Amino acid sequence: KAGVTQTPRYLIKTRGQQVTLSCSPISGHRSVSWYQQTPGQGLQFLFEYFSETQRNKGNFPGRFSGRQFSNSRSEMNVSTLELGDSALYLCASSSGRYQETQYFGPGTRLLVL
Amino acid sequence: SQKIEQNSEALNIQEGKTATLTCNYTNYSPAYLQWYRQDPGRGPVFLLLIRENEKEKRKERLKVTFDTTLKQSLFHITASQPADSATYLCALDPYNNNDMRFGAGTRLTVKP
Repeated sequence: KAGVTQTPRYLIKTRGQQVTLSCSPISGHRSVSWYQQTPGQGLQFLFEYFSETQRNKGNFPGRFSGRQFSNSRSEMNVSTLELGDSALYLCASSSGRYQETQYFGPGTRLLVL
Repeated sequence: SQKIEQNSEALNIQEGKTATLTCNYTNYSPAYLQWYRQDPGRGPVFLLLIRENEKEKRKERLKVTFDTTLKQSLFHITASQPADSATYLCALDPYNNNDMRFGAGTRLTVKP
């Protein structure tokens, strides 16, 4: 079974731009969660989608948004990028209705200049 | 306030010894707790899950305990090897509502 894939792996943007990151979960998994990881703040929860519905959202500004498609693939978007948005963005998928075991992708490294 | 604390940012041990990592939480009552391993530049990898009604769980050289009274989980790696060097993260879903919270992690270095 293929693991969680994320594209692109690396991205460089400038302040004020927007970015869209993509995540393909493990086949059969219906839950996808997104996290931001930085050296200072660690791994922080952004949001979680299950069957195309956002079930929960972390404490991030509205510039961070996401969606999930009917095939469970998910995208997250960050608008009006700020320098502080530079981070490793990780998505994780799980099989059940509740997160329990999560399988993480390799992440997208975003650098905002 | 609600916190998850891994009380060692870094832990250095000699090969063959047992590594013990600690995860403490406050003001949560999680139904389960998880441990993950993360290597530099990669996503975390799930290791073990322990539920609130389980005191201990083992998997090969790994052992996890969960004390809901102390609000603490201990993660042990026995007969440690240099390949065990990584950052170990504890995580919990405090309200069972799909909002996973992670500790800051402990960077373990096993010296040969």
